[in-house]
Amino acid sequence: AQKVTQAQTEISVVEKEDVTLDCVYETRDTTYYLFWYKQPPSGELVFLIRRNSFDEQNEISGRYSWNFQKSTSSFNFTITASQVVDSAVYFCALSEAYSGTYKYIFGTGTRLKVLA
Amino acid sequence: DGGITQSPKYLFRKEGQNVTLSCEQNLNHDAMYWYRQDPGQGLRLIYYSQIVNDFQKGDIAEGYSVSREKKESFPLTVTSAQKNPTAFYLCASSMQGNIQYFGAGTRLSVL
Repeated sequence: AQKVTQAQTEISVVEKEDVTLDCVYETRDTTYYLFWYKQPPSGELVFLIRRNSFDEQNEISGRYSWNFQKSTSSFNFTITASQVVDSAVYFCALSEAYSGTYKYIFGTGTRLKVLA
Repeated sequence: DGGITQSPKYLFRKEGQNVTLSCEQNLNHDAMYWYRQDPGQGLRLIYYSQIVNDFQKGDIAEGYSVSREKKESFPLTVTSAQKNPTAFYLCASSMQGNIQYFGAGTRLSVL
């Protein structure tokens, strides 16, 4: 069965520290997509990244980087030199292609608190 | 500006009352989705629609109903059969098989 696990419920760091948010997924499909979204206090989910199952290249975007490892079914997200504005809830999600619906399965989220 | 508009931002429901949450998008997206968010539980799919005049139940459809008469609009009705409606409701849209973009949400509470 498909499942996304974000074992870290809440993380607190001091500004400028690096922090990694973990995401482990389960799927029976060979073609799938993985996502990260940010939910600031305002509530709207903001898209950060999509990765397909055939592309295991790590990605870096400014202070954000993502590490995708199919061997361990993980798609971890690292924020370098964290800032107070990074404080939010971060969700990892999985979308499978086999059904044709591309429905998302979300993890339960990790709340990140960056302290000044 | 293109985007997804949800209204109202806050909504209160009385016992036995049906309430309707609005979701409108001007992104020309085919697919639209409704999610419910409870503390510590992530987002759960209520209903989704891949095309006008068609929609499917998600994981927690009981007590909810939807319609998709126009491409731009996907309203969600929380019926009196939903015994625990207090939650944050998020609407999303996407091109088929693509990234979902979300509205700002509606927070529903019971009086």
